[in-house]
Amino acid sequence: DVKVTQSSRYLVKRTGEKVFLECVQDMDHENMFWYRQDPGLGLRLIYFSYDVKMKEKGDIPEGYSVSREKKERFSLILESASTNQTSMYLCASSYLVSNNEQFFGPGTRLTVL
Amino acid sequence: QKEVEQNSGPLSVPEGAIASLNCTYSDRVSQSFFWYRQYSGKSPELIMSIYSNGDKEDGRFTAQLNKASQYVSLLIRDSQPSDSATYLCAVNEEGFQKLVFGTGTRLLVSP
Repeated sequence: DVKVTQSSRYLVKRTGEKVFLECVQDMDHENMFWYRQDPGLGLRLIYFSYDVKMKEKGDIPEGYSVSREKKERFSLILESASTNQTSMYLCASSYLVSNNEQFFGPGTRLTVL
Repeated sequence: QKEVEQNSGPLSVPEGAIASLNCTYSDRVSQSFFWYRQYSGKSPELIMSIYSNGDKEDGRFTAQLNKASQYVSLLIRDSQPSDSATYLCAVNEEGFQKLVFGTGTRLLVSP
């Protein structure tokens, strides 16, 4: 079974803090994705990566950055957290040469105070 | 802007009935279609994928695809209270590794 894990299930941070969210997958997937999910807005893609050290902006990259130093690990960074970044953050992964079946981690519910 | 449309619901069905969930998409060249189930407070779980016109069955689930009408549906037979969740439709963006998600349909199955 594909396993995607995320570093925290719940996280509370203060405005202005730097926040790191980590995602690890154990299926040798090339693609990794970061989404946020908010009520009424659905899943929105923040960034994705199709290879080590490669990254592509998604639909809402502002205020976020990412890092992919190893194939199995994809980090999302909030350089200076703001209250409007309070959300559920979901990581997903998929094979590059596939029909793009994405598998999700359990999610991190981030609250910024 | 590619769009995936779903009725937000809730869709209420009695236990044992067939639940029919629908999804339309705007991009004619979309190739791959997925249904995810998401329980409240949990992450989406892939339950069905379909790539060609017609029906695909997996247990109590049947996905139906009609590319000419840009329509994909999910039927759940013998619905159970444990099927109560939000169902997300997702479509592969042609030539890219991204999925476009609908906002989901909430299904309620009453005992």
